[in-house]
Amino acid sequence: NAGVTQTPKFQVLKTGQSMTLQCAQDMNHEYMSWYRQDPGMGLRLIHYSVGAGITDQGEVPNGYNVSRSTTEDFPLRLLSAAPSQTSVYFCASSYWGKGNTEAFFGQGTRLTVV
Amino acid sequence: AQSVTQPDIHITVSEGASLELRCNYSYGATPYLFWYVQSPGQGLQLLLKYFSGDTLVQGIKGFEAEFKRSQSSFNLRKPSVHWSDAAEYFCAVGAGNTGKLIFGQGTTLQVKP
Repeated sequence: NAGVTQTPKFQVLKTGQSMTLQCAQDMNHEYMSWYRQDPGMGLRLIHYSVGAGITDQGEVPNGYNVSRSTTEDFPLRLLSAAPSQTSVYFCASSYWGKGNTEAFFGQGTRLTVV
Repeated sequence: AQSVTQPDIHITVSEGASLELRCNYSYGATPYLFWYVQSPGQGLQLLLKYFSGDTLVQGIKGFEAEFKRSQSSFNLRKPSVHWSDAAEYFCAVGAGNTGKLIFGQGTTLQVKP
């Protein structure tokens, strides 16, 4: 049982380049989310999904796109990278039920935009 | 608006001393509350969670947290800190039936030998 798998673990991009951060989960969770972590700011929500075909914006969505064609996968796309997108990115999947819920996080992708 | 505040950015305690990390939240309904720990270069690990019922929640690694509705707080405690507890700790609130979490800014714990 792999849990939540993120690839790549490290990436350096030049300003203006595009790339996709991959996230896959094998727990059949309905809910998946992307966060970015910056020093002193905790984790901030970029986009989230409540099921295949359904996505919505979080707190800091600008510059990022997502789609959810399957339950398992939730890729995050940077269309034109900017230095302000240098950060550590975490994908999470979760289940929610009455009186019980938990989010599981991937190991993160450290992205540097130069 | 929903929010989480961790007033202490950095805390240093001696090994064997007790620990309390503060967390205050703002949320309209009964909150789902969480504490996560992150070791350097690692992902987040769930320490404990609260939904309802007993306001004192036990977690892994000897941690506990107490939910106080009147103070909108969910402070994390440990009676005796070990050097391996040095890490960053995040408090979070679950935002409705969406899978979303709202995180505090984090508290970095340093443990002195």
